[in-house]
Amino acid sequence: AQSVTQPDIHITVSEGASLELRCNYSYGATPYLFWYVQSPGQGLQLLLKYFSGDTLVQGIKGFEAEFKRSQSSFNLRKPSVHWSDAAEYFCAVATWGNTGKLIFGQGTTLQVKP
Amino acid sequence: EAGVAQSPRYKIIEKRQSVAFWCNPISGHATLYWYQQILGQGPKLLIQFQNNGVVDDSQLPKDRFSAERLKGVDSTLKIQPAKLEDSAVYLCASSSVQGNNEQFFGPGTRLTVL
Repeated sequence: AQSVTQPDIHITVSEGASLELRCNYSYGATPYLFWYVQSPGQGLQLLLKYFSGDTLVQGIKGFEAEFKRSQSSFNLRKPSVHWSDAAEYFCAVATWGNTGKLIFGQGTTLQVKP
Repeated sequence: EAGVAQSPRYKIIEKRQSVAFWCNPISGHATLYWYQQILGQGPKLLIQFQNNGVVDDSQLPKDRFSAERLKGVDSTLKIQPAKLEDSAVYLCASSSVQGNNEQFFGPGTRLTVL
C-alpha cells in the first residue's frame, strides 16, 4: 500500500539557517510527489511537485526538493529560513498518476527562532 | 480567480447531532475532493467526485457520512449522527485536467464534537 513518512514531527531552526525536511514514500510505480504548507487556520498551499524529469525541483517561496528514487525520498530544502516560514509542512504522493487522491504524511511542524 | 470556498469555517455540535458542510470549487474544476484532517495528522481522503459521479469513497464511513455533488458544481458533506472522533478539519479541494490536476484547497471547516 502507498504510504508517506515524515520522520520529524517538530523541527526548530534559527532564522537565516538552512532547512531540510525529510520525506520517505512507499509506492510501487513512478511516484507523483508534492510538498504542501499549511499555516494556522489556513488551507493547504502547494509548494512544489515532482512528476518526472529533473530530480531537483524548484518551488515557491525559495523552496526546492530533490527526488531520490534509490532512497525513496523527496526531501524539502531551503537555504535560508525566514520567520514567516513557520508552519506545518506535508509531503504527499498521488496514487495512479496525477489524477488520483493524495496520500499525506503526518506533517512536520516548523518553528523559527529569531 | 476565486479560490475554493467552504462554509461554515467553524462548527461546534454535540455527539449524535447532525452537521453539514458546503464546498464551492474553483469554476470549471471537474474534480472535487473532501479530506478529513484530524489534529496532528495529515489529511485523509474521504470522497472524490468527477463531475457529479463518485470516483473514490473507499474511506468514507458510509454508516454516518454522506456526500453529494448535484449538477457537478457545489458539494455538501454530511455527518449524521456525529461521534466524538469526528472532530477534525474538513478540507475541500478541486482540480482540473487543464491545470495538470493540481489540487487547490479551501480553508477548511473545523468541527468540534462535544
